[in-house]
Amino acid sequence: QSALTQPPSASGSPGQSVTISCTGTSSDVGGSNYVSWYQQHPGKAPKLMIYEVGKRPSGVLDRFSGSKSGNTASLTVSGLQAEDEADYYCSSYADTNNWVFGGGTKLTVL
Amino acid sequence: QLQLRESGPGLVKPSQTLSLTCTVSGGSISSSSYYWAWIRQSPGKGLQWIGNVYYSGSAYYNPSLKSRVTISVDASKNQFSLKLSSVTAADTAVYYCARPLDFYNSSGYYYYWGQGTRVTVSS
Repeated sequence: QSALTQPPSASGSPGQSVTISCTGTSSDVGGSNYVSWYQQHPGKAPKLMIYEVGKRPSGVLDRFSGSKSGNTASLTVSGLQAEDEADYYCSSYADTNNWVFGGGTKLTVL
Repeated sequence: QLQLRESGPGLVKPSQTLSLTCTVSGGSISSSSYYWAWIRQSPGKGLQWIGNVYYSGSAYYNPSLKSRVTISVDASKNQFSLKLSSVTAADTAVYYCARPLDFYNSSGYYYYWGQGTRVTVSS
């Protein structure tokens, strides 16, 4: 199946908030709450930032939040900081033990 | 602290089989009921879930790769492996092994990752 759809880029100034969208279908994003978000810095492995739509693993700052409406999930980064500049990927459960990722969004802190 | 480390050839010829191993330390594959996964990232592109395997050997695969993929586990060595057959240049990627977040055993919430290993398919 196709990857989830994310905007290729997003940007914001330090201190601002930015929201990244992730659009799927009723078979994946819209069909369950198994949506997650990853942050990836260049040359590094992805880091889990959000799981189950809006939960944060231990150690992830509350500046990162997630939500979902219909077939679209969103990641909001508040109080942008320079270290938030990275690629962000969404992921969703698709069907029987099958997981799909978005194409990724490059977040630039201006 | 759980650690994962990928290993295997960095160069594979077209039409051959790509074979990678993930060695787990700081925890036991067989004593924890998790689905251990392989994920890849093509150059300059996004992530692709390849599949996962339970410690018992039950495996699930990405439908787009299913005909070419085998993921297996060797609990005695605390390792799990990936085999991808009939590779082409499109299989050139960084390959990661990963494990889900604690208590989300069968989920795709990958909290523990290896550092990744780059595999190039070229003659």
